[in-house]
Amino acid sequence: NAGVTQTPKFQVLKTGQSMTLQCAQDMNHEYMSWYRQDPGMGLRLIHYSVGAGITDQGEVPNGYNVSRSTTEDFPLRLLSAAPSQTSVYFCASSYSSRVTYGELFFGEGSRLTVL
Amino acid sequence: TQLLEQSPQFLSIQEGENLTVYCNSSSVFSSLQWYRQEPGEGPVLLVTVVTGGEVKKLKRLTFQFGDARKDSSLHITAAQTGDTGLYLCAGAFGGGTSYGKLTFGQGTILTVHP
Repeated sequence: NAGVTQTPKFQVLKTGQSMTLQCAQDMNHEYMSWYRQDPGMGLRLIHYSVGAGITDQGEVPNGYNVSRSTTEDFPLRLLSAAPSQTSVYFCASSYSSRVTYGELFFGEGSRLTVL
Repeated sequence: TQLLEQSPQFLSIQEGENLTVYCNSSSVFSSLQWYRQEPGEGPVLLVTVVTGGEVKKLKRLTFQFGDARKDSSLHITAAQTGDTGLYLCAGAFGGGTSYGKLTFGQGTILTVHP
């Protein structure tokens, strides 16, 4: 059972380039989300999805795009990378769309550097 | 945006000492979770607290949820070097109407020296 798988683990981009961070889960979880982690700022929610075809914005959505065509996959797209998007990105899933009580299962993270 | 204040940001102690990490908000949590994260890995859930005044124990770790559900604490007794890591609190606000939006504190980096 792989859990939550993120690719790539490391990526270096130039300003203005676009890319997609992949996230897949094999636990049949309804809920999936993307967070970014920066020093001293904890984890901040970028976008989340409560089911296939349903997405919504989190706290810091600007510059990012998501879609959820299947239960398993939730890719995060950077449209035009900026140095401010240098961060570690985590994908998470939960068995419940109501995360009030659901445990979040995290991937190992994708470290992105934008030059 | 709901804010979660976590303190202290850094904690450096000797093995065997006790410590407490705090998580506070001006708003009422519908539930609160504590996670632990090691370098190069994603956070892993330690505990979820839901009821005001609730106390949960996980070996040497004791978690408390404030009576008013606006604060929580994590207490570690007789810390060990294996407790070293980043501790994160995460709160859900507003109950089912705000599902999907979990707010994290800034984190506490704990270093336990032998």
